[in-house]
Amino acid sequence: GDSVTQMEGPVTLSEEACLTINCTYTATGYPSLFWYVQYPGEGLQLLLKATKADDKGSNKGFEATYRKETTSFHLEKGSVQVSDSAVYFCALSGYGGTSYGKLTFGQGTILTVHP
Amino acid sequence: DGGITQSPKYLFRKEGQNVTLSCEQNLNHDAMYWYRQDPGQGLRLIYYSQIVNDFQKGDIAEGYSVSREKKESFPLTVTSAQKNPTAFYLCAAQEPITDTQYFGPGTRLTVL
Repeated sequence: GDSVTQMEGPVTLSEEACLTINCTYTATGYPSLFWYVQYPGEGLQLLLKATKADDKGSNKGFEATYRKETTSFHLEKGSVQVSDSAVYFCALSGYGGTSYGKLTFGQGTILTVHP
Repeated sequence: DGGITQSPKYLFRKEGQNVTLSCEQNLNHDAMYWYRQDPGQGLRLIYYSQIVNDFQKGDIAEGYSVSREKKESFPLTVTSAQKNPTAFYLCAAQEPITDTQYFGPGTRLTVL
């Protein structure tokens, strides 16, 4: 079945450092890929998405490129801020059969940014 | 203001009691989902509904029940059969074509 693997956290960075959170996936067909962010005590918010190979999703300085050849969707940001501290989830939407439309989530990566 | 609302934000239940969590959406999406999140964990799918009057079990449906009588509403009942119900519960509605899911703020259930 479909699966998503994220790099294990927690990740701790200083403000203005570069961020990369790795995400790889296993899926049949052509899933859409997502990054969600969760702040403490809140629900998940969509950060960015990509619906086909080579698409780049971007939002709030974050970027991720849909790489079908490496089945990856790594999240990057050039300069993080304290306000970026949160849990980040990579997800894919099922493409065929009983998985169709359902999201499969990674385990989440905790990011802490210090001043 | 469009979106997903969940109530209550915090819920306390005694062992042996059933409790119902509310989820309402005004996004006009057909598909809705319920997830459970445990501390430091990812999301696990409890139930989902792709259309009114129809719903399907997810990966951890035992001890839970749902109904979908209206497009806007997808309540989740946590029954006394659920062995370990203390968790954070998230509801989502899904946009067709893009499959983007939009989440509510969650309900934190604690069993005393």
